[in-house]
Amino acid sequence: DVKVTQSSRYLVKRTGEKVFLECVQDMDHENMFWYRQDPGLGLRLIYFSYDVKMKEKGDIPEGYSVSREKKERFSLILESASTNQTSMYLCASRLGQGYNQPQHFGDGTRLSIL
Amino acid sequence: AQTVTQSQPEMSVQEAETVTLSCTYDTSENNYYLFWYKQPPSRQMILVIRQEAYKQQNATENRFSVNFQKAAKSFSLKISDSQLGDTAMYFCAFMKHGAQKLVFGQGTRLTINP
Repeated sequence: DVKVTQSSRYLVKRTGEKVFLECVQDMDHENMFWYRQDPGLGLRLIYFSYDVKMKEKGDIPEGYSVSREKKERFSLILESASTNQTSMYLCASRLGQGYNQPQHFGDGTRLSIL
Repeated sequence: AQTVTQSQPEMSVQEAETVTLSCTYDTSENNYYLFWYKQPPSRQMILVIRQEAYKQQNATENRFSVNFQKAAKSFSLKISDSQLGDTAMYFCAFMKHGAQKLVFGQGTRLTINP
């Protein structure tokens, strides 16, 4: 089974801090994604990566950056955390393209910015 | 841009009943895929069922089936003989053919009561 592991389940940070959320997958998937989940808004794509050092902006990239130095690891970075970035963050990975390759999700990180 | 709408924020039914969750979407694409994802209280999102837009036959997976109405851009999920373990957030999602990106609806919180 695919395992997508997010480094923290809960995280509390202060406004202005630089925050790193880490995600690791163990199935050699090319594609990795970062979403944020907010009540009433569903999941919104922040960034995704289709290969090492490659990235594309999603729907809400402002205030975030990403890093993918190794195939198995995809990091989300909040450059200067703000209270409106308090949310649940979900990482996902996917093998290749095509209908039959679903996204596999991690457990999520609930991030609070004080 | 594609949008996905789930108009039922919350639903509640008794165990063993049948329940239908609604989903509508807006797209100008002709070739795409639709998904239902389940997020139980433990938070890991899992794929429930998927449908290819060019297939007229509705997808089924055990107790889960969909009613796909392409002209109406509707994609509802029916859960038969509901079980306590079906309690979860359910998300409808859209993916354009050849794309990586999933577009999610707002989610429906389903509670199955004993």
